[in-house]
Amino acid sequence: AQSVTQPDIHITVSEGASLELRCNYSYGATPYLFWYVQSPGQGLQLLLKYFSGDTLVQGIKGFEAEFKRSQSSFNLRKPSVHWSDAAEYFCAVGPLNNNAGNMLTFGGGTRLMVKP
Amino acid sequence: NAGVTQTPKFRVLKTGQSMTLLCAQDMNHEYMYWYRQDPGMGLRLIHYSVGEGTTAKGEVPDGYNVSRLKKQNFLLGLESAAPSQTSVYFCASRSSGTAGELFFGEGSRLTVL
Repeated sequence: AQSVTQPDIHITVSEGASLELRCNYSYGATPYLFWYVQSPGQGLQLLLKYFSGDTLVQGIKGFEAEFKRSQSSFNLRKPSVHWSDAAEYFCAVGPLNNNAGNMLTFGGGTRLMVKP
Repeated sequence: NAGVTQTPKFRVLKTGQSMTLLCAQDMNHEYMYWYRQDPGMGLRLIHYSVGEGTTAKGEVPDGYNVSRLKKQNFLLGLESAAPSQTSVYFCASRSSGTAGELFFGEGSRLTVL
């Protein structure tokens, strides 16, 4: 069975500081990997995704993530955090054959707080 | 372009009452999903549909029923609400050609007393 672990429930960083959110997955084949962001009172929005190819993927809002197969990780990074980045972030993993309906497993989320 | 719309956005129920959450998408997506979100547990899949007239169970289907009579609508029903069903419910959809990229509604917060 596939699973996703986000070890950090809460993270606080100062505005302008760098950010790294951790994501570890368990999956028996090459996974599809995603990061979603949820602002307060909103639904989830896709930040970036990895299917294949270059292991460093760029997303919206200046975020990037790196797939490391040897570590089963897909950590999210941003070089300089803005106050508007305060939100909850979810990592998700899915099967390679994405014709199945039951396709994404989400981690528990990391809530990011940004200090002025 | 509304995307995915959920109604109602908030609802308070008493134990044993029934209700239906409606999800509507205007993107002509084949696949639709209902998730529930609970603190520290991420999103868990309740039911999903891969097309009009089809439904299937997800990870946590007990206590819920769904219907997909029209392609654009996916209904989630609670026949006899329980306090354990207090949660935020999210509907999502995607087309069959965009693997993995889910589009979410804004959520429906349900409280069962």
